[in-house]
Amino acid sequence: EVQLVESGGGLVQPGGSLRLSCVGSGFTFSSYWMSWVRRAPGKGLEWVANIKLDGSETKYVDSVKGRFTISRDNAENSLYLQMNSLRAEDTAVYYCARDRRSWHPNPYAMAVWGQGTTVTVSS
Amino acid sequence: QSVLTQPPSVSGAPGQRVTISCTGSRSNIGAGYDVHWYQQLPGTAPKLLIYGNINRPSGVPDRFSGSKSGTSASLAITGLQAEDEADYYCQSYDSSLSAVFGPGTKVTVL
Repeated sequence: EVQLVESGGGLVQPGGSLRLSCVGSGFTFSSYWMSWVRRAPGKGLEWVANIKLDGSETKYVDSVKGRFTISRDNAENSLYLQMNSLRAEDTAVYYCARDRRSWHPNPYAMAVWGQGTTVTVSS
Repeated sequence: QSVLTQPPSVSGAPGQRVTISCTGSRSNIGAGYDVHWYQQLPGTAPKLLIYGNINRPSGVPDRFSGSKSGTSASLAITGLQAEDEADYYCQSYDSSLSAVFGPGTKVTVL
C-alpha cells in the first residue's frame, strides 16, 4: 500500500523551531517530487515547498523563504521540513504529498497525501 | 491572497449539476500549466480528483469532470450526492514551478 506518514508536529513558542518528518512506503521514494502543503485554521490549502527527486532543486512559498528548509533522505524514504523563526501565522496542519508522475524533471499533481501533522505556534 | 480565483461557495440539490470556476492569469494557467483539482472532506487529507485538466485518477467517479480554456479551468459535478459536500481546490504552477492553489470552494448539498 502506498502511504505517507508525517510526524513532528506540536506546540512551539513564537520564534522557536520544529522539524517535521514524512516517511513514504509502498513506492520508490527517490522517483518522485515531494511537497509540503499546509492548511491553517479557517483557511484554504497553501503550498509550502517542494523538492526534486535527488534533492537538487527546492522551491518555497515567499512567506517561508529563509525560515523553512525542505530536504529528503532517499535512503531512508524520508522527507523533512525544518521550520525556524516560527510565527503564529505558521499554525496549521502540515501535509506531505507525493507527485503523480515518477522520474519527471518537473513537479505536477499531488497524488498521494499523508494524514497531516499539526503545528501550533503560540506563547 | 491567492493568485488563482475560485467562488467561496456553491450549492445544489441532490442530483443537480454544479460547476466551480478557477481563474488564473498568463503567469500560470494561461502559460500552459495544467490544472489539477483536489477534494478535501471535513477532517481528512486532500484527495486528487482531477489531474492534467481533464483526467480522473482511478476510483474517482465519472460524475466529476474538468475542463480548461485560456486562463481558466472548471470542475463540474453532475448528479450531486450528499457525500460530495466538501472543499474543492484548483492547483497549477507558475513560471518558477512554484505550486499555487486556489482559495477553495465549499460545496453544500441542499
